[in-house]
Amino acid sequence: KAGVTQTPRYLIKTRGQQVTLSCSPISGHRSVSWYQQTPGQGLQFLFEYFSETQRNKGNFPGRFSGRQFSNSRSEMNVSTLELGDSALYLCASSLVQGEGEKLFFGSGTQLSVL
Amino acid sequence: SQQGEEDPQALSIQEGENATMNCSYKTSINNLQWYRQNSGRGLVHLILIRSNEREKHSGRLRVTLDTSKKSSSLLITASRAADTASYFCATDSSNTGKLIFGQGTTLQVKP
Repeated sequence: KAGVTQTPRYLIKTRGQQVTLSCSPISGHRSVSWYQQTPGQGLQFLFEYFSETQRNKGNFPGRFSGRQFSNSRSEMNVSTLELGDSALYLCASSLVQGEGEKLFFGSGTQLSVL
Repeated sequence: SQQGEEDPQALSIQEGENATMNCSYKTSINNLQWYRQNSGRGLVHLILIRSNEREKHSGRLRVTLDTSKKSSSLLITASRAADTASYFCATDSSNTGKLIFGQGTTLQVKP
């Protein structure tokens, strides 16, 4: 079974631009979560989608948005990029909700904002 | 803010020694999980312990949970150089994909 796939692996953007990151979950997984990881703040929860609906949202500005498609693939978008958005963005999928399931993470997208 | 705080922030040991990492959290939880992350990569799930469990084992890993103290510990026995990584505890309060991660402990195992 293929793991969680995130594309692209690396991305370099300049301030003010926008970016879209993609995540393909493990086949059969219906929940996709997104996390931002930085050396200073650690892992911060962005949002979680389940069956195309955003079910949870972290404390990030509206510039950060996401969506989930009917095949469970997910995208997150960051508009008007700031230097502080430079981070490793991790996507994770899980199989069944309601029982504290473990997350399966992708390798992440390393975003650098110049 | 982070739910979990981990201690120590960094740990360096010799191969064959045991490594113990601690995690404290603030609010009630449904379960607590431990993950490992190799540099620049995604996290890998190690073990999940539910709030009504006190201890759990998986291979060389032993996890304890004390809900009265809101703390957990991860013990890696007979460590190997390949165990070198960052270890994170994560708490689940809502049984959804929203895990709250601690800052992590960076473990270095010297051969």
